[in-house]
Amino acid sequence: DTGVSQNPRHKITKRGQNVTFRCDPISEHNRLYWYRQTLGQGPEFLTYFQNEAQLEKSRLLSDRFSAERPKGSFSTLEIQRTEQGDSAMYLCASSFDTETQYFGPGTRLLVL
Amino acid sequence: AQKITQTQPGMFVQEKEAVTLDCTYDTSDQSYGLFWYKQPSSGEMIFLIYQGSYDEQNATEGRYSLNFQKARKSANLVISASQLGDSAMYFCAMRKYGGSQGNLIFGKGTKLSVKP
Repeated sequence: DTGVSQNPRHKITKRGQNVTFRCDPISEHNRLYWYRQTLGQGPEFLTYFQNEAQLEKSRLLSDRFSAERPKGSFSTLEIQRTEQGDSAMYLCASSFDTETQYFGPGTRLLVL
Repeated sequence: AQKITQTQPGMFVQEKEAVTLDCTYDTSDQSYGLFWYKQPSSGEMIFLIYQGSYDEQNATEGRYSLNFQKARKSANLVISASQLGDSAMYFCAMRKYGGSQGNLIFGKGTKLSVKP
């Protein structure tokens, strides 16, 4: 049984560096979502794709953030010029249309 | 704007007892869905149960049931016969249907600790 997978699971970087995370959704799911979760909070929506189209972006997604899903399968989330405030858990989820979203294990980012 | 409120930062329950985790929501939409997720310390969000706004019966999934009171805008999670493995953060979430909006809106969560 292959659920949603995310890589890497942990990332430590220095302020100002670029980082990229990958998410592989459940294979038959056409929607893919990115969320960010900081300590003591629930996840907050960043962006989502239906197939390869990016349909919605939160205002949380600053110009330093970019997400892609080039072939409608896996997705990448890149953060350029990281800041300490970017330290968080980045969660990916997938669904078939508007059905239940299933989450991956997340990528924990620490910016020093 | 949609909002989820979970007023219990932490809850304790004795093993094998039942526990209710509170969730209230605010929306002007007629069609929406309510979800509960469990997040162990490992970080993964695990889907537990779903309730649609038009569902007349409360949802149940094994030891989990959702006490849905639409007029009061509440969607409390009931866990029966608590187990040690139930110790985790629990998040209530909502999404609306229709239009292009696809995201879930989460509450701040409740930390459940099950005592042996």
